[in-house]
Amino acid sequence: NAGVTQTPKFQVLKTGQSMTLQCAQDMNHEYMSWYRQDPGMGLRLIHYSVGAGITDQGEVPNGYNVSRSTTEDFPLRLLSAAPSQTSVYFCASSYWDANTGELFFGEGSRLTVL
Amino acid sequence: AQSVTQLDSQVPVFEEAPVELRCNYSSSVSVYLFWYVQYPNQGLQLLLKYLSGSTLVKGINGFEAEFNKSQTSFHLRKPSVHISDTAEYFCAVSDREQAGTALIFGKGTTLSVSS
Repeated sequence: NAGVTQTPKFQVLKTGQSMTLQCAQDMNHEYMSWYRQDPGMGLRLIHYSVGAGITDQGEVPNGYNVSRSTTEDFPLRLLSAAPSQTSVYFCASSYWDANTGELFFGEGSRLTVL
Repeated sequence: AQSVTQLDSQVPVFEEAPVELRCNYSSSVSVYLFWYVQYPNQGLQLLLKYLSGSTLVKGINGFEAEFNKSQTSFHLRKPSVHISDTAEYFCAVSDREQAGTALIFGKGTTLSVSS
């Protein structure tokens, strides 16, 4: 199993450009989520999904769009990149029961917006 | 909405000393609590979790944490740290209604272990 795979690992954009961060998991997990990590801010939840076709907003959703057409994939779209979106982005997946509850994280995607 | 406060942004300690990283959460409703560790330039790895049962939870690498409902705290402890424990540590919470879907994280505590 590859776990949670994020691509690309590094990306540089100009202000106003759009792009998609890809996230795929091969563990058949129902739940997937996107976080951004900024120095001194910890991880903040952007969007999450509880299953194919179902998404919801997290703490900082503005400027980002998501969709969940399959169980495996959960892409994050930046519609018009801004310097404030310079960050490290983490995708996570999980399967919940009374004995688990662990989120599995990808290795992160470092985005710089100039 | 849930929130998590990690009371120390940086904790410097000497090797073999004990350490405690403090975490408080906001809600009085039933919650699930987690500690994650992030080594430099890596993703996050689960250290331990409290879902139910015993309030003293043991995790990997010799870490343990105690859930205190009355004080809404979930402090992380290790009796003797190693240089390799140098990393950033995140406390996280999920309320039972959102169990497993997503977590709310604290801002992190940087643990620096020196010889």
